[in-house]
Amino acid sequence: EVQLVESGGGLVQPGGSLRLSCAASGFTFSSYDMHWVRQATGKGLEWVSAIGTAGDTYYPGSVKGRFTISRENAKNSLYLQMNSLRAGDTAVYYCARDPGLGNDWYFDLWGRGTLVTVSS
Amino acid sequence: QSALTQPASVSGSPGQSITISCTGTSSDVGGYNYVSWYQQHPGKAPKLMIYEVSNRPSGVPDRFSGSKSGNTASLTISGLQAEDEADYYCSSYTSSSIPYVFGTGTKVTVL
Repeated sequence: EVQLVESGGGLVQPGGSLRLSCAASGFTFSSYDMHWVRQATGKGLEWVSAIGTAGDTYYPGSVKGRFTISRENAKNSLYLQMNSLRAGDTAVYYCARDPGLGNDWYFDLWGRGTLVTVSS
Repeated sequence: QSALTQPASVSGSPGQSITISCTGTSSDVGGYNYVSWYQQHPGKAPKLMIYEVSNRPSGVPDRFSGSKSGNTASLTISGLQAEDEADYYCSSYTSSSIPYVFGTGTKVTVL
């Protein structure tokens, strides 16, 4: 079955760290750019990071320097290392597959998400 | 880079057509044919409905169509059905410092 399954979410104190994982199955993981997208409760979608098939990475200013996206193709896995977490990072984090080429980013496969709560 | 602007809510009766707008700038929606649309039901992950302005992925009903004029993209749902009640988000590549941006989201209500 073609799917993405996130894990690693939980409760963390402000300033703490968390590592999210996304396990891919049913497709050639190494052939796709991959992304993380988050959604705070009752709010809209926010793009968080991207990694290309060559390992190139991209971030918005809100997480740049704090979050690191990586991939391990041998394990069909995507990761998001989150450091210096803030209350504003509280959200459901989705991993998503991107079949587009170059700047043509769009997400045709999503996981069910993992909840990250940053609170003391 | 601000989110793309969408109406907060749109409603229609079963069988009617509705259109959701997505307004950006020449740095995003207006500058590239890289607009996509996502449907999200409560508690579920988003689902791709339209990519590259007007392309439908396999399995998406042809009641859903996309278009663009200038800096505004649109999603039209024809023959509205009860299962179309959901939140809808547009998105686009942008040449600003943030390479990707979502819209503010639109709640579609089927009356």
